Amino acid sequence: SQQGEEDPQALSIQEGENATMNCSYKTSINNLQWYRQNSGRGLVHLILIRSNEREKHSGRLRVTLDTSKKSSSLLITASRAADTASYFCATDSDSWGKLQFGAGTQVVVTP
Amino acid sequence: GAVVSQHPSWVICKSGTSVKIECRSLDFQATTMFWYRQFPKQSLMLMATSNEGSKATYEQGVEKDKFLINHASLTLSTLTVTSAHPEDSSFYICSARPPSWSSRQPQHFGDGTRLSIL
Repeated sequence: SQQGEEDPQALSIQEGENATMNCSYKTSINNLQWYRQNSGRGLVHLILIRSNEREKHSGRLRVTLDTSKKSSSLLITASRAADTASYFCATDSDSWGKLQFGAGTQVVVTP
Repeated sequence: GAVVSQHPSWVICKSGTSVKIECRSLDFQATTMFWYRQFPKQSLMLMATSNEGSKATYEQGVEKDKFLINHASLTLSTLTVTSAHPEDSSFYICSARPPSWSSRQPQHFGDGTRLSIL
């Protein structure tokens, strides 16, 4: 079963606006990762945040992690049309590195 | 950076045939690879963990005899969908974990294989 639940399921914004999506999970984790997937394509790794970290930045991306609430958020600032994609969170909870993916958020950025 | 190659990227075949999908780590040795399945507009579901030189570990609900996994070398894992039927049509994605991997590092994903069974 899926570990992560994401909301919203879909998000439509205009270029320049910020996009925020949230991920909740059920069990303790080693790390939480965010991926982007363009339609019909493979996954692009965005950010990995470890369980002892609370916030991480990469360019226009900001990820937070609250282990007490078992939740994470991904913020994309100053969005661009090229950010249009599906975004998935994935949790790593065991020693093998198996990932459990959330349901995903479909983001559409209109020019 | 590390690259994982999946082949073929797209395959269409008739119902009843078997289809083999390859996952190769191009510039590192992968002791462990993972196979995921993704239905349209849905998330990725882990199918199995493939370990070099040993039997794959399948997730609950995944038929071992239907989805044969072989990890005969440190750079290649194969997924064979046997006697494929239309309900097996899906997007299959592999990922690889290098030997020096730790929980602080992301895995490396292939670009996926779109399987369409007529």
